[in-house]
Amino acid sequence: KAGVTQTPRYLIKTRGQQVTLSCSPISGHRSVSWYQQTPGQGLQFLFEYFSETQRNKGNFPGRFSGRQFSNSRSEMNVSTLELGDSALYLCASSTQGVEAFFGQGTRLTVV
Amino acid sequence: KQEVTQIPAALSVPEGENLVLNCSFTDSAIYNLQWFRQDPGKGLTSLLLIQSSQREQTSGRLNASLDKSSGRSTLYIAASQPGDSATYLCAVTSSGYSTLTFGKGTMLLVSP
Repeated sequence: KAGVTQTPRYLIKTRGQQVTLSCSPISGHRSVSWYQQTPGQGLQFLFEYFSETQRNKGNFPGRFSGRQFSNSRSEMNVSTLELGDSALYLCASSTQGVEAFFGQGTRLTVV
Repeated sequence: KQEVTQIPAALSVPEGENLVLNCSFTDSAIYNLQWFRQDPGKGLTSLLLIQSSQREQTSGRLNASLDKSSGRSTLYIAASQPGDSATYLCAVTSSGYSTLTFGKGTMLLVSP
């Protein structure tokens, strides 16, 4: 059974640009959540999608957005990148409220 | 607002020791608690999931307990090995949602 797949694994972007990250959940999982991990703040929740609907949202500015497609694949977008957006972005998939499985993450560096 | 605390922040032990990692949470209305392992620069690997109605779960050399009323969980690692070196993260889920609230983790180093 394939795990959670995140692409790309690494990204380098310039301040002011925008970026799109992709997450393919485990087959059959309808919930996809996104997290940002930084050395100072640890793991912080960005948003959760369930059956193409955003069900929960963390405390991040509107520059961070996401969506989920009918096949449960999800994308997150960050516009007008700032240096502080440099982080490891992790995606998790689960069946509702049960065990969460994470991808390997996308390492975003903003220069 | 749920807050999760992990103690200690870092731990260094010689190979073969048994050890305990601690996790506490402020709101006892949780749906489940999950322990993860993270190797440097990598994603999270799920180790154990404890549903709110359960008291403990075991997998190989790992045993996790949950005391919901006191807001505490422990992860017991028996006969530690150098390959156990990693950061261990505790996370809780509130009722009905998949959103995880994480602690800052315990960085474990097991020396040969």
